[in-house]
Amino acid sequence: AQSVTQPDIHITVSEGASLELRCNYSYGATPYLFWYVQSPGQGLQLLLKYFSGDTLVQGIKGFEAEFKRSQSSFNLRKPSVHWSDAAEYFCAVGASNDYKLSFGAGTTVTVRA
Amino acid sequence: SQTIHQWPATLVQPVGSPLSLECTVEGTSNPNLYWYRQAAGRGLQLLFYSVGIGQISSEVPQNLSASRPQDRQFILSSKKLLLSDSGFYLCAWTTLGGGETQYFGPGTRLLVL
Repeated sequence: AQSVTQPDIHITVSEGASLELRCNYSYGATPYLFWYVQSPGQGLQLLLKYFSGDTLVQGIKGFEAEFKRSQSSFNLRKPSVHWSDAAEYFCAVGASNDYKLSFGAGTTVTVRA
Repeated sequence: SQTIHQWPATLVQPVGSPLSLECTVEGTSNPNLYWYRQAAGRGLQLLFYSVGIGQISSEVPQNLSASRPQDRQFILSSKKLLLSDSGFYLCAWTTLGGGETQYFGPGTRLLVL
């Protein structure tokens, strides 16, 4: 079964600074990988996903993520954060033969002025 | 386009009372449907999923049950609520098939007193 680890529970970043959120997965074959964002009291919104092909994936809101098979990682990045990026971010992994996704515990991002 | 609805948005219930949360999806057919729970400050816990009418898979033994009376309707129920049932309940759908992107509803916040 697949699993996901998000090592950072909470990250604080200054507005305009870069952001990187770490995600490590465990799965024997090529995984399906996702990043979701959740604003307080809201549902989860898909930021981006990786199924195959180019390992650098562009998403919404200026986010990108890079799949690195050798490191079993799918880290999320944004070059310059905005105050509206303050939220909780979830990494998830799926498989072609499984109806379920496995979610990480989430990383809370605080943006300071 | 597809949309997913959940109601109610917020619910305050006494311990021992029954529960019924509803989730409906529009704009798609034969979706896989999911119920998740988020306790305060914690990640997502998959409770139930369904790949068709009347087909329910339970992930965690607990005080809750789920039903799927129609193709695009998924209901979460309890006969007697516990304090520990408090949390944020999210419904999600995906197209039939493994590993596909899950799309989330706006959630229901449940407070059991």
